[in-house]
Amino acid sequence: DAGVTQSPTHLIKTRGQQVTLRCSPKSGHDTVSWYQQALGQGPQFIFQYYEEEERQRGNFPDRFSGHQFPNYSSELNVNALLLGDSALYLCASSQYRGSYEQYFGPGTRLTVT
Amino acid sequence: AQSVSQHNHHVILSEAASLELGCNYSYGGTVNLFWYVQYPGQHLQLLLKYFSGDPLVKGIKGFEAEFIKSKFSFNLRKPSVQWSDTAEYFCAVNPSGGYQKVTFGTGTKLQVIP
Repeated sequence: DAGVTQSPTHLIKTRGQQVTLRCSPKSGHDTVSWYQQALGQGPQFIFQYYEEEERQRGNFPDRFSGHQFPNYSSELNVNALLLGDSALYLCASSQYRGSYEQYFGPGTRLTVT
Repeated sequence: AQSVSQHNHHVILSEAASLELGCNYSYGGTVNLFWYVQYPGQHLQLLLKYFSGDPLVKGIKGFEAEFIKSKFSFNLRKPSVQWSDTAEYFCAVNPSGGYQKVTFGTGTKLQVIP
C-alpha cells in the first residue's frame, strides 16, 4: 500500500516564476492538506482540500492556490515566487470522516533564487 | 486561533536517560492533540494522539504523553531513550468537533549520545 507521494523531490526556481507541486494521497484517503516548513520551523498550514473544494485556509496570500482532482490527488500552485517561499512543502492526507490522523509525504524542497 | 508552544528547542541526552518534552497549547475549546516525529532523512510520522478518554496515551516505540487539561499541556515522555530516538519532535493540535487545520509547534531536536 503506497503512502503519500509527492513530486518533484527538489525544485529550483527564479523569483517571479510560478511553480506547481503534486501530491497523491494514501489509498483510502479523501482529504489533502498542504503545509510549508521553513528551515528550523514547524509545518505551517496552507490549506486543505476535500471533495475538490478548499475547506480551510491558513495565513497565506492568494499567490498560493490549489486544486484537488476527482481521484483525490492534489496540486499546490505558487505564483510570483519570492525568496521567502523557499521551504519544504509537505502534503498530508487523511479521511475526512475519520480520526483526523494525517499521513505525511516526503515533501518537495523548493529553492527560489 | 489555536497556537502551540514547545519550549525545548534542542535537547541532548545520554542513552538510557529519561525524556520529557514540553508542549503547551492555546485554544478555548476541546482539542485533538498529536506528537509527530521526524527521523533524519525521513518524513513526518505520527508518534501518538489524544482525542478523548484516558489522558495518558501510549504511542509507538515506548513513548507516552499525558494530557493535562487544566494546564493546556501535552508533554511527551519516554523512560529510557535510545540512540535511535535521535530525531525532531513536533507537537500539534487541532480543534475537535469538525475538521479544522492542524497547528504545529516549532519542534524539539533531540540528540541522544551513545
